[in-house]
Amino acid sequence: NAGVTQTPKFQVLKTGQSMTLQCAQDMNHEYMSWYRQDPGMGLRLIHYSVGAGITDQGEVPNGYNVSRSTTEDFPLRLLSAAPSQTSVYFCASTPSVSTEAFFGQGTRLTVV
Amino acid sequence: GDSVTQMEGPVTLSEEAFLTINCTYTATGYPSLFWYVQYPGEGLQLLLKATKADDKGSNKGFEATYRKETTSFHLEKGSVQVSDSAVYFCALNRGYQKVTFGTGTKLQVIP
Repeated sequence: NAGVTQTPKFQVLKTGQSMTLQCAQDMNHEYMSWYRQDPGMGLRLIHYSVGAGITDQGEVPNGYNVSRSTTEDFPLRLLSAAPSQTSVYFCASTPSVSTEAFFGQGTRLTVV
Repeated sequence: GDSVTQMEGPVTLSEEAFLTINCTYTATGYPSLFWYVQYPGEGLQLLLKATKADDKGSNKGFEATYRKETTSFHLEKGSVQVSDSAVYFCALNRGYQKVTFGTGTKLQVIP
C-alpha cells in the first residue's frame, strides 16, 4: 500500500539552485496536485493536473514548473530557489470519481 | 473565490474533555466538506467528510455536520485523548479537484 510517495523528505538548497521534488502514486488516480504549507496560511495550491499531459496553475505557481508525462508521476521543479520557497510541500492525488484527496508524507525544503 | 475559516489555535484540552473546532466556508454551489488531520511529521489524512447538506461525517469518535444554512462544518468529539493531539484542517472541494483549506487548528491534549 504505497499510496502517494514523495522524495526527498528533507532538502536544503542554496539560493539560485534548482531541484525537482518527486511525487508518484500507484492508485491510478487521474488528478494530482502540489501544495505548499506555511505557518498560519494552511495549504495553498501550486499546480495541478487532471490527467497525463494536462497541467494548470493553482494559487501560487510562480517559481515552479510541473509536467505530467504519465498517470503515476507528477514532479515539481524549482527553477531558481529563493528563501521565500522555504516550506513544506505536499503532493496529493484524487480519483476522478471522488473529491477525497490522498496526500504524501511531505518534503521539507529549506532555501538558504 | 472559495474560502474556509477555522478557529485559530492552539487549543489545549485535558484528556476526556469535549472538543469543538469551528469551521465556516464561502463557496458557490454545493461543495464537499472535509476534515483532515496531520500528526507531527506526517502528511494529511482524511478524518471525515460530508458531500451534501445535513450529511454527518464521522470517524474515530469525531463528528461534523454539513450545515448549509450557516455554511458551517464544525468538528466535535465527546472525549479527547492524548493521541488526538494533531493539527486539524477544514477543507472544501467544489469538484474541480482544487481543494481549499483553512489555516489549521493545532490541538494539544494533556493527560
